[in-house]
Amino acid sequence: NAGVTQTPKFQVLKTGQSMTLQCAQDMNHEYMSWYRQDPGMGLRLIHYSVGAGITDQGEVPNGYNVSRSTTEDFPLRLLSAAPSQTSVYFCASSQTGLASNTGELFFGEGSRLTVL
Amino acid sequence: AQSVTQLGSHVSVSEGALVLLRCNYSSSVPPYLFWYVQYPNQGLQLLLKYTSAATLVKGINGFEAEFKKSETSFHLTKPSAHMSDAAEYFCAVSHYGGSQGNLIFGKGTKLSVKP
Repeated sequence: NAGVTQTPKFQVLKTGQSMTLQCAQDMNHEYMSWYRQDPGMGLRLIHYSVGAGITDQGEVPNGYNVSRSTTEDFPLRLLSAAPSQTSVYFCASSQTGLASNTGELFFGEGSRLTVL
Repeated sequence: AQSVTQLGSHVSVSEGALVLLRCNYSSSVPPYLFWYVQYPNQGLQLLLKYTSAATLVKGINGFEAEFKKSETSFHLTKPSAHMSDAAEYFCAVSHYGGSQGNLIFGKGTKLSVKP
């Protein structure tokens, strides 16, 4: 069982370049989300989705776009990368809406992005 | 809005000693509370959760946490630390439903275990 799969694991970009971080889950989870992790800052929510066709902003959405065309996939797009977006990005999914009775987020292994 | 404060960004204990990681939350409605663990170069995994049932919650690897409403706390404990417990621990809060159902994480506490 693959769970939540993120690609790529590592990426180096130049300022102004664009890229997409991929996230796929095979657990038929309705809820998916993207967090960024920075030293001393914990995890901060970028965008989330409660089902195909539905997305919403989290705490730090600026500079990022998302879409949810299928239940399985939730890509995160950086349209014009900036050094401030250097971070480790985590995709997470949950079986039911948000943190309901199950309350458990399943995380991918992370994508480490460096913007020069 | 809900929030989480973890006291101490770094905690060091000796192997066999008590582990105590502190978490205080802020919430205007009854919260759901969680502890997650992150091992180096890995994603987070759930240790335990409180969802308004028993106030003393037992998790994996011998960890437990007690929900204390009067103190707005959800501290994580383990009676005897093991070298394999060295990791970063995150407390998180959420509420059921709507945008408040998203997990809000604390800044994390890195646990070191000395031999």
